[in-house]
Amino acid sequence: EAGVVQSPRYKIIEKKQPVAFWCNPISGHNTLYWYRQNLGQGPELLIRYENEEAVDDSQLPKDRFSAERLKGVDSTLKIQPAELGDSAVYLCASSGRDRANYGYTFGSGTRLTVV
Amino acid sequence: AQKITQTQPGMFVQEKEAVTLDCTYDTSDPSYGLFWYKQPSSGEMIFLIYQGSYDQQNATEGRYSLNFQKARKSANLVISASQLGDSAMYFCAMRERGYSSASKIIFGSGTRLSIRP
Repeated sequence: EAGVVQSPRYKIIEKKQPVAFWCNPISGHNTLYWYRQNLGQGPELLIRYENEEAVDDSQLPKDRFSAERLKGVDSTLKIQPAELGDSAVYLCASSGRDRANYGYTFGSGTRLTVV
Repeated sequence: AQKITQTQPGMFVQEKEAVTLDCTYDTSDPSYGLFWYKQPSSGEMIFLIYQGSYDQQNATEGRYSLNFQKARKSANLVISASQLGDSAMYFCAMRERGYSSASKIIFGSGTRLSIRP
C-alpha cells in the first residue's frame, strides 16, 4: 500500500513568489495534517482537516498561507507571497481507523528554500 | 496545555553501546499516547514506538524500548546496541484524548544522535 505522498520533494523559489505543495494521503484516511518544521526544531501543526473541513487552522498564517482539501482526499498548501522565514520542511500526515503506525503516517516532506 | 520537553539537543555514542534519549511531558488528560520518531537527514519522519497511557507494560520494538514512568511523566527511548545507521534526529511526541484519529500530535524539539564507529 502506498504511503502518504508529497510533492515536490524540494523547492527553491525567490522571495515574494508563490509556491504550492501537494499531499495525497493514505486511501481511506479521513484526517489530514500539515506541519511545518523549521531547521533544528520539531514539527508544528499548521492545519488539520476532517474530510474536506478545516477543523483546526489556528496556527496557519492566514495572510499568506492557504490550504484546501477538495473532495476530502488530496490537499494543497499554498504560500503567496513567500518570505525568507518560510524556508522549512512542510510535512503532511494522515490518520484513519486502520490504526497504522498508531494513527499517524507522515509523508517524506517538501523542503522549501526561499532565497 | 500539553507540552513535550527534550533536554538533550545532541548526543554522541560509541557504536554498539546502548543510549537513552530523554523525554518528559505534561498533560492533564488521563488518556494519551506517546510516540518516538526518527528523522534521518533525508527528512522523512519514521515511526519507532508507541506507548499508551493505560498500557501496563513498557513498549518494545526490536532494539527500541520505551521506559515509561507515568508518575514522573517521562517516556525515555532506549536504543540497545547502537548502529551507525541510528545517527539521526529523534523526536518525542504526544497525542491527547486517547486513540482518536482526530487528535493532533505535538512534538518536542528533538535530540540529534550521532553514533561514532
